Order: sequence, then C-alpha cells, then structure tokens
Amino acid sequence: EVQLVETGGGLVQPGKSLKLTCATSGFTFTTAWMHWVRQSPEKRLEWIARIKDKSHNYAPDYVESVKGRFTISRDDSKSSVYLQMNSLKEEDTATYFCTRTGLDYWGQGVMVTVSS
Amino acid sequence: DIQMTQSPSSMSVSLGDTVTITCRASQDVGIYVNWFQQKPGKSPRRMIYRATNLADGVPSRFSGSRSGSDYSLTISSLESEDVADYHCLQYDENPYTFGAGTKLELK
Repeated sequence: EVQLVETGGGLVQPGKSLKLTCATSGFTFTTAWMHWVRQSPEKRLEWIARIKDKSHNYAPDYVESVKGRFTISRDDSKSSVYLQMNSLKEEDTATYFCTRTGLDYWGQGVMVTVSS
Repeated sequence: DIQMTQSPSSMSVSLGDTVTITCRASQDVGIYVNWFQQKPGKSPRRMIYRATNLADGVPSRFSGSRSGSDYSLTISSLESEDVADYHCLQYDENPYTFGAGTKLELK
C-alpha cells in the first residue's frame, strides 16, 4: 500500500524557519519524482516544488514565490522527501501536502501557520 | 506561468444531474491535465490523468475531455458522494498550475 505521511508543521513567527518531512512507503521511492503542494486557507491549491530522481541528478524546481526561501531535498535511503522553509511569511500559511510522480497519491497534509 | 481558468467557481446541483466543469489553459499544455476531487478535511484524489484517462478505482460516470485549450470534467448521473470540490492541474510546464477550483453543492 502506498503511503505518504507528512510531519513537522506548526505555528511559527514570520521570518523563522520550519522543516517538513514526508516519509513514504509502498512504492519504489528511488525512481519517483516527489512534489510539495500547498493549499491556502481559501482552499486554492498551489504546486510549490519538485525534486527529480537520481538519474536526473536530483534536480529541483520551484514556484517563483518560494525560490530562494524553500529548499526541497530527499533521502533515498529513508524513502523521504523534505521541505526546508526559511524566511517564512504570513502568506505561506497553508496545509502542505507531499505527492509523487503523476500526483496520484498524496499525504494527509500538515498545517503550517505563520503568525506573530 | 500558464494560467488555468476554471469555471464555474461553484455550482448548485441535484442528484442525477450531468455536471460539466471546464478549465481553459492560457497556452498549449497538450494532454498534461489532471482533475482532482477533494472532500472536506481530505487530500485531493486524482480522478482523471492526461486529460481523458480515468484513474484507478474512479467510477465510470466520471470522464475527461479536451477541445483545443479547453479541458472538461463531466460527471454523469451525479451521486451524493460526488459532492465535493474539484480542481484541474496542468503539468506540461513548470511551474505546474492549478485552476481555482469548483465547489459542488446540493440544491
């Protein structure tokens, strides 16, 4: 059974950092391209980052609004993908989901609230 | 970035209706459009991939179509479990972009 489980969310002040983890199981993680997608309180979905597999040099891509602040990474030995979020802004408040190639399976999501 | 203009934003529906939701892409995205269903408090569920392909386990009353830059999700004979939010996504070009969503509500 394919599973993706996000952890690491919470309440954080503007300007601070947070790191999300997505632990996966039930599929061949090493060849999967992994994504992070967030959903605003208004329920709008936004794709924010993707990391390719080893054969594609683990190349990352980001939406413009998070470039330079967020970093996606992965550990194939742990079948996990991460999202390091720095310089957080109030507009980063959202539920963050991880998903895999084809966006066919999603985690349950983790809430991140950026507020003073 | 490619814009996905989704309509309508909300729709009042009755059980048994045929419902069509549309996304218009601001530039060519080929077949690279998915449709997702989302219920309150749940993760999105992929319903259609590559514009017209039914995802595993999705009832056959759901279908996807394409006409030029317009992509549609149709639900035939709506059932109560279909009342949800629906989102389109283009994944032809980075950044992937979603439509604004359509909320189905029962009359």
